[in-house]
Amino acid sequence: GESVGLHLPTLSVQEGDNSIINCAYSNSASDYFIWYKQESGKGPQFIIDIRSNMDKRQGQRVTVLLNKTVKHLSLQIAATQPGDSAVYFCAETQGFQKLVFGTGTRLLVSP
Amino acid sequence: AAGVIQSPRHLIKEKRETATLKCYPIPRHDTVYWYQQGPGQDPQFLISFYEKMQSDKGSIPDRFSAQQFSDYHSELNMSSLELGDSALYFCASSLARTGLNYEQYFGPGTRLTVT
Repeated sequence: GESVGLHLPTLSVQEGDNSIINCAYSNSASDYFIWYKQESGKGPQFIIDIRSNMDKRQGQRVTVLLNKTVKHLSLQIAATQPGDSAVYFCAETQGFQKLVFGTGTRLLVSP
Repeated sequence: AAGVIQSPRHLIKEKRETATLKCYPIPRHDTVYWYQQGPGQDPQFLISFYEKMQSDKGSIPDRFSAQQFSDYHSELNMSSLELGDSALYFCASSLARTGLNYEQYFGPGTRLTVT
């Protein structure tokens, strides 16, 4: 089935801390996964992606981990900053098909 | 770099009215996706087009229709609007032709309010 976010879990961290946001995906056939950042009233903004033939990918201050065995994704943000405050969504897809979004997580960063 | 453009950004309609949302994909992108996001919810896929043909259909009501034109822009037509149609509507585009990059780039969205 497809995941629908009815409740928004919240992660509160202090500036400078590392943040870890988790996501469970639903389709074992998905071969491409993306993390998006969404600020209030704006469109989802690409953060980092990973293909199913990888288990880890690093970007600038962000790392995505993929565990296909348990269908789990995580996003690690190093040295979290107030500007990182937003809602974060994971999404899964197969190739160029529709994105299926996971439940968003609201990240609150306190100075 | 050019991004996905959506218009209008805000739209207020009354129940039973119609609305048309427009999406202009990133230049050279050949695939357009429409998503609906209710308050506090994750985006839900509505419909997509590749090279002007419908490529996939999700939870789109029969009251809604969409198409992609020869210049690759897309329009989402919504009729007999209901209060529950109030949401953010996002368009995303990708370049599927090369088969290299699956990334979907999102526009800023249209906020539709039905009163």
